[in-house]
Amino acid sequence: DSGVTQTPKHLITATGQRVTLRCSPRSGDLSVYWYQQSLDQGLQFLIQYYNGEERAKGNILERFSAQQFPDLHSELNLSSLELGDSALYFCASSIGTNTEAFFGQGTRLTVV
Amino acid sequence: GIQVEQSPPDLILQEGANSTLRCNFSDSVNNLQWFHQNPWGQLINLFYIPSGTKQNGRLSATTVATERYSLLYISSSQTTDSGVYFCAVEQGGANNLFFGTGTRLTVIP
Repeated sequence: DSGVTQTPKHLITATGQRVTLRCSPRSGDLSVYWYQQSLDQGLQFLIQYYNGEERAKGNILERFSAQQFPDLHSELNLSSLELGDSALYFCASSIGTNTEAFFGQGTRLTVV
Repeated sequence: GIQVEQSPPDLILQEGANSTLRCNFSDSVNNLQWFHQNPWGQLINLFYIPSGTKQNGRLSATTVATERYSLLYISSSQTTDSGVYFCAVEQGGANNLFFGTGTRLTVIP
């Protein structure tokens, strides 16, 4: 168990819908990262927050947004879902940059 | 951006055999981690190894930062070692890990 908790584990939804993925980081970790793993793109970095502030952005679509709350948990919102958004979404946390990152179990999103 | 190449892409081993997985990266890094993604999709931390050598049971890793490569050694492989092994690196100021494409390991009994 990495200490990073993601909910839900599985999600099936229809095209055009909106979903929210939730992540609770390890105790004491201030950084939260979101990654997307699809079959054709591998593991892609989406966005990073540090202590409530956005610090880095990767290949995140405009239809996607995230935030980190004062209690340090984070949510990833995916809207106007398309079939191609079906993927495994991982949250990771670390104490800060250039430190060891630990990954949650992932949320498997299927868009039908 | 930084390039991370892992080799071999696929590896099939008999149970009990040893193997070496390689990760080459194109620029200097401040962080390098090895992960094992098991058949259920979980990403499990193996090593945090920006430089030097570490060992954990049957697994060990070496990173030679000046030559921009890292090696993961698996000895006496077991069927539970099957899955995909990822190398991921972080450059200074990048604030994220960049993953290689992985090595898919299959250990057969």
